[in-house]
Amino acid sequence: AQSVSQHNHHVILSEAASLELGCNYSYGGTVNLFWYVQYPGQHLQLLLKYFSGDPLVKGIKGFEAEFIKSKFSFNLRKPSVQWSDTAEYFCAVIPNTGGFKTIFGAGTRLFVKA
Amino acid sequence: EAGVAQSPRYKIIEKRQSVAFWCNPISGHATLYWYQQILGQGPKLLIQFQNNGVVDDSQLPKDRFSAERLKGVDSTLKIQPAKLEDSAVYLCASSLAGQGRDTQYFGPGTRLTVL
Repeated sequence: AQSVSQHNHHVILSEAASLELGCNYSYGGTVNLFWYVQYPGQHLQLLLKYFSGDPLVKGIKGFEAEFIKSKFSFNLRKPSVQWSDTAEYFCAVIPNTGGFKTIFGAGTRLFVKA
Repeated sequence: EAGVAQSPRYKIIEKRQSVAFWCNPISGHATLYWYQQILGQGPKLLIQFQNNGVVDDSQLPKDRFSAERLKGVDSTLKIQPAKLEDSAVYLCASSLAGQGRDTQYFGPGTRLTVL
């Protein structure tokens, strides 16, 4: 069955530290890849997405993600986190098959210490 | 632009009771999604509509869950009868076309507690 794995369930960083959140998926065909974020008290919202082309994609608030096809990975990065980045981050995959069914990872809770 | 609306925001029921959730997507969005998010897990797609037709309902427990999207706009999700394991946040989302590349816009969710 298709699945999405996020390696870290909880991450604690100090402000200005660098961030990398892992995401791996199990599907052999082409996929559309997403990172969504949920800030405390807010709705889930899109951070960035990748379909094709340059495997390094930039999103809002200084986030970027790199698609490595050979590793089935789509890791999220930010060079220097801020206290306001405290949130839960979800990786999502939509295989390019009929129906375009969305599969979410379990999420990573990030806490940034001021 | 108004976002995705959901009601109620919270619901507490006893097991074996029934419950219904309502969702109004963003105007003009053809695709509507219902997700179940159990504490500590990511959202799990229950059903996806394209206009008023079902695209995917493979993970919907059809013996107790039902959903409809009449007239291709708002939607209701019903659970009858509820079980303890149905305690979760039920998220509604919508997107323009649902062809795999669309951004999904989420509502605030309905937190269901089954006692």
